[in-house]
Amino acid sequence: GENVEQHPSTLSVQEGDSAVIKCTYSDSASNYFPWYKQELGKRPQLIIDIRSNVGEKKDQRIAVTLNKTAKHFSLHITETQPEDSAVYFCAASIRSGGYQKVTFGTGTKLQVIP
Amino acid sequence: DVKVTQSSRYLVKRTGEKVFLECVQDMDHENMFWYRQDPGLGLRLIYFSYDVKMKEKGDIPEGYSVSREKKERFSLILESASTNQTSMYLCASSSPALTDTQYFGPGTRLTVL
Repeated sequence: GENVEQHPSTLSVQEGDSAVIKCTYSDSASNYFPWYKQELGKRPQLIIDIRSNVGEKKDQRIAVTLNKTAKHFSLHITETQPEDSAVYFCAASIRSGGYQKVTFGTGTKLQVIP
Repeated sequence: DVKVTQSSRYLVKRTGEKVFLECVQDMDHENMFWYRQDPGLGLRLIYFSYDVKMKEKGDIPEGYSVSREKKERFSLILESASTNQTSMYLCASSSPALTDTQYFGPGTRLTVL
């Protein structure tokens, strides 16, 4: 089955600096790569996603890149703010018709220091 | 606005008890999922369902079963709870026909004594 590795497990940055979280996946059939943010005590919520036919996607301060050949994808947060502090999960998903299986990474706890 | 609800936020059970965790979504989503979340291990898929009465094993199905009799409801069953099943359980739903986004419930923190 799919295996998703995520690094680092914890990350501390100064407010205003950039943060990068990296993930690798094993199954070349994976075709959808979402990123979820989980604030303390809350449910995970989608913040950005990318499909296998796209190399990069950006949404304001957040960007995701995908390298299908190397089977890795990364989340980039620029100009970090204290409210970015949370646990971030990457995931790799195989979708075929109505069938969707999602495998998550182990999470990165991001702390933004004011 | 998608709403995914879970029957309990906190649950305490004894070893050997049969435990039911229920999840309900109101957006007519075809897919529903059960995960457990443990520190350092991320979200691990227990079971998922892509249609009524259909179920697929995830990565850690041992000790669990599921039921999906109606489209909006997906139940996770611990036939005989054990202490190593103490965890946070998260339900999610999605509709691949529309979007691959998973919408999560608030979670149930289960403690097995």
